[in-house]
Amino acid sequence: AQKVTQAQTEISVVEKEDVTLDCVYETRDTTYYLFWYKQPPSGELVFLIRRNSFDEQNEISGRYSWNFQKSTSSFNFTITASQVVDSAVYFCALTSNAGGTSYGKLTFGQGTILTVHP
Amino acid sequence: GAVVSQHPSWVICKSGTSVKIECRSLDFQATTMFWYRQFPKQSLMLMATSNEGSKATYEQGVEKDKFLINHASLTLSTLTVTSAHPEDSSFYICSAMLGLRSYYEQYFGPGTRLTVT
Repeated sequence: AQKVTQAQTEISVVEKEDVTLDCVYETRDTTYYLFWYKQPPSGELVFLIRRNSFDEQNEISGRYSWNFQKSTSSFNFTITASQVVDSAVYFCALTSNAGGTSYGKLTFGQGTILTVHP
Repeated sequence: GAVVSQHPSWVICKSGTSVKIECRSLDFQATTMFWYRQFPKQSLMLMATSNEGSKATYEQGVEKDKFLINHASLTLSTLTVTSAHPEDSSFYICSAMLGLRSYYEQYFGPGTRLTVT
């Protein structure tokens, strides 16, 4: 069975602070994809990044960066110099073919509520 | 980029009535669409997988007769909540998947907030 754990339920920071959102996953499959989504108060999920299990390169996109470590089954997300507009719920998600389920079915973590104060 | 729309964005209905929610991929064809349910301050729970031209596959614990899914074309999937009750009040989100070439990336609709009174 697949599982995604986001241990941090809520994080509160002051603007310009760096913040890291943790994500730990479990899967039996060797081929899988990991995602991060942002859900602002409007409710619509915004795709941030996709990473496949064979690519452990870290990625940076502006103020966002991701650290993928297969050895610890983690896919952490860091926001540098946070801004008030970063306030949202962030979800880590996983899809694989474990147990015969088809690709595309996402298993979501519980989500981390990030609040950035001015 | 790929855009997915949902209609309506919010709906209030009386207990016992049925409500239909539409999910459309506007600028691409989606062979597979997914329906999720999200309660306040909770994560997304997958309800069913919808493939064009075939019956939907429901997740364990989801009532097939209550949540009817029809994927009539490559751009449209509908979710009908039949005989709605207050406990069905939730945020319903659909997503559409481009397929293999997109590395299974899903695009999400804006969601439909259902309130049953």
